[in-house]
Amino acid sequence: DTGVSQNPRHKITKRGQNVTFRCDPISEHNRLYWYRQTLGQGPEFLTYFQNEAQLEKSRLLSDRFSAERPKGSFSTLEIQRTEQGDSAMYLCASSPKDRGNTGELFFGEGSRLTVL
Amino acid sequence: AQSVAQPEDQVNVAEGNPLTVKCTYSVSGNPYLFWYVQYPNRGLQFLLKYITGDNLVKGSYGFEAEFNKSQTSFHLKKPSALVSDSALYFCAVRDVGGYNKLIFGAGTRLAVHP
Repeated sequence: DTGVSQNPRHKITKRGQNVTFRCDPISEHNRLYWYRQTLGQGPEFLTYFQNEAQLEKSRLLSDRFSAERPKGSFSTLEIQRTEQGDSAMYLCASSPKDRGNTGELFFGEGSRLTVL
Repeated sequence: AQSVAQPEDQVNVAEGNPLTVKCTYSVSGNPYLFWYVQYPNRGLQFLLKYITGDNLVKGSYGFEAEFNKSQTSFHLKKPSALVSDSALYFCAVRDVGGYNKLIFGAGTRLAVHP
């Protein structure tokens, strides 16, 4: 399968622990996005990478959140000192630059975080 | 700021009947509008988009959407619903900024009954 891959698919953790999610985009896509989706809501933009450069961060991304894309390929999203309010589905999407300006994003299946 | 609204949490329709899922938008400038679908335990999938041109846009799985500038709407439609169309549907608008930051609506759950 050559789609967007996210791991782990589900993470249960205790409040205060750190968690890290990984996203492997479609190989030729240079644009990568992270979104967060809570129950009953649409996806909310968190951050955007073009190659290895993080070009925008939402104010939703507090200091406890950090995202990287060190070689312009896979990306990681780390949440430090998790809180119960961090429980959500974290979605990764990618797009090629030529389609990037017309809105077609390719989403992974998401990583569901449950903070106890 | 760009935004979209989906006024219906859920839409129920009988199989074989036409369906409409509503979306209204608020943008500065020309809107870039999208519909995505989310099946259970699956990622969001692109259905269709309006950038410019014909107001009736055709997309995947027999879906189409009608762009109405005067009503600032972009309703999703299908002439004959299938049970397999049951899913969560999201309307989205591209934010300003030159890349694909999408602003999504809250979603509408479509339930198609046999």
